[in-house]
Amino acid sequence: GAGVSQSPRYKVTKRGQDVALRCDPISGHVSLYWYRQALGQGPEFLTYFNYEAQQDKSGLPNDRFSAERPEGSISTLTIQRTEQRDSAMYRCASSFGSGGRSWFQETQYFGPGTRLLVL
Amino acid sequence: TQLLEQSPQFLSIQEGENLTVYCNSSSVFSSLQWYRQEPGEGPVLLVTVVTGGEVKKLKRLTFQFGDARKDSSLHITAAQPGDTGLYLCAGAGSQGNLIFGKGTKLSVKP
Repeated sequence: GAGVSQSPRYKVTKRGQDVALRCDPISGHVSLYWYRQALGQGPEFLTYFNYEAQQDKSGLPNDRFSAERPEGSISTLTIQRTEQRDSAMYRCASSFGSGGRSWFQETQYFGPGTRLLVL
Repeated sequence: TQLLEQSPQFLSIQEGENLTVYCNSSSVFSSLQWYRQEPGEGPVLLVTVVTGGEVKKLKRLTFQFGDARKDSSLHITAAQPGDTGLYLCAGAGSQGNLIFGKGTKLSVKP
């Protein structure tokens, strides 16, 4: 595809329900990142993958949040027993994933995000 | 904990004016990136600076990385209404992730 896509674009759910947010990275990109962004603020890192391996999940707020990327392509961020404080824009990004010494120079391409509203 | 602080948080100027946005940290970063984000869109990378003291220019935008690689600045010359947006700095974290500042919301009025 041309860019990173996310679905759904908008999700309204009731407190206590589980939600699954999907990210489809740019084809061939090794690295995939999940962020949460409050209105007018910078993205807050949640977790990231290289291929199917979750490299760092230190940014996940608590154990209600989980993510997977079973085949190293599409990823799903799942929030169980949603709470009102989970309402935010959830963004996914992907990068080529060159590894080695230059990983910190890579460009991350962001998707349009999923706006989650928990009532 | 690696943190990036951006200032100012908000900036409203007239077309043609110059401005500088700052990104500061007490931590050393391998690189710093600057992104621009428009309403309803995801952040888009403007530049990556890697070497301490490095200066990069992108048309009317000048980016500088501090000698100690703890801070960076973005200077815009003769701002235009099309420059309006949220400017974000991001540093490469020790775990391979990106650490973002809270952003500077720039409004350029015609």
